[in-house]
Amino acid sequence: KAGVTQTPRYLIKTRGQQVTLSCSPISGHRSVSWYQQTPGQGLQFLFEYFSETQRNKGNFPGRFSGRQFSNSRSEMNVSTLELGDSALYLCASTATSTDTQYFGPGTRLTVL
Amino acid sequence: LAKTTQPISMDSYEGQEVNITCSHNNIATNDYITWYQQFPSQGPRFIIQGYKTKVTNEVASLFIPADRKSSTLSLPRVSLSDTAVYYCLVGDSGAAGNKLTFGGGTRVLVKP
Repeated sequence: KAGVTQTPRYLIKTRGQQVTLSCSPISGHRSVSWYQQTPGQGLQFLFEYFSETQRNKGNFPGRFSGRQFSNSRSEMNVSTLELGDSALYLCASTATSTDTQYFGPGTRLTVL
Repeated sequence: LAKTTQPISMDSYEGQEVNITCSHNNIATNDYITWYQQFPSQGPRFIIQGYKTKVTNEVASLFIPADRKSSTLSLPRVSLSDTAVYYCLVGDSGAAGNKLTFGGGTRVLVKP
């Protein structure tokens, strides 16, 4: 069974721009969660989508948004990028019947 | 979500057993205990999950005492490739969805 895939793997943007990251969950998984990882703050939860609805949200500003499609694929968008948004963005999918989240390889975003 | 406390770092040598203890005094009745392994610039990888007593799989064992206020991840006969950060998480997805709270993790260094 294929794992969680994320695209692109690496991205370089400048301040003020916006970015869209994509995540394809494991086949059959309906929950997709997004995390931000930085050296200073560690791994922080952004939001979770289940059946195209946002079910949980972390403490991030409104510049961070996401959505989920009917095939469970998810996208996350960051608008008006700031230098501090440079991070590894991780996506995880969860099977309906378990608590186990399976993570993708991440997208490394660098904001210049 | 219950907060977890684990050592910041541990050193070991190839072939030794590594035991990492995680404290979670406020664990709730429905909470499971899950451990992840993360290599630099990669997504966390699920290692093991348990609710009580002992769980063993092909890579690790998880020991949970009766009061469930702590847990110990045991990695038998570690190799250099086990050098990574190990995260202990406590939570219950259920109807509230999936929202993992990662602590600082334990940085394990395996020496030759």
